[in-house]
Amino acid sequence: GQSLEQPSEVTAVEGAIVQINCTYQTSGFYGLSWYQQHDGGAPTFLSYNALDGLEETGRFSSFLSRSDSYGYLLLQELQMKDSASYFCAVRNDYKLSFGAGTTVTVRA
Amino acid sequence: ETGVTQTPRHLVMGMTNKKSLKCEQHLGHNAMYWYKQSAKKPLELMFVYNFKEQTENNSVPSRFSPECPNSSHLFLHLHTLQPEDSALYLCASSSESGAGGELFFGEGSRLTVL
Repeated sequence: GQSLEQPSEVTAVEGAIVQINCTYQTSGFYGLSWYQQHDGGAPTFLSYNALDGLEETGRFSSFLSRSDSYGYLLLQELQMKDSASYFCAVRNDYKLSFGAGTTVTVRA
Repeated sequence: ETGVTQTPRHLVMGMTNKKSLKCEQHLGHNAMYWYKQSAKKPLELMFVYNFKEQTENNSVPSRFSPECPNSSHLFLHLHTLQPEDSALYLCASSSESGAGGELFFGEGSRLTVL
């Protein structure tokens, strides 16, 4: 089976930087994804890392270390609209298994 | 219509009722999924269909019955549910069973079982 660990909550102020860590245990690992979900909304895809290293997409970056079974999502220049839940997910063969999510609250 | 559409958005049913959730994707994808989302818990994968064939049944109780008549439509038939089945049910689709780790989700059907 798969297991993923990520912090349950993070609070930060506008303009700050937040890092959400994700550690995982799985067999047949293909890659690590990140999703954002606002209250009442659908999860939306942010990034996917299949290889070690950092992927940057605008204010958001994602990192993967396969040898450490570890990844993180970095949110820079936080904005109020970034208040949401963030999920890491491991791709194992043909399916994605998700973590419990990290609720990020951005304060003015 | 674009993306993944789910109906109904909200559903309240008694334990003896029979109802169905519907999902339609307009993205030309070959794989479709049902996930269950309960508060403060990971999204739980329920079923996976790839090219209309069920490839995953994640030990889901038989009171949940999926149907995939074609690669664009997915149903979840519900009968004799329990109050603990109350949750948000999310449908998703992807090209080739999650290639690139990207799923496209619908906004979900919020189910309340009385």
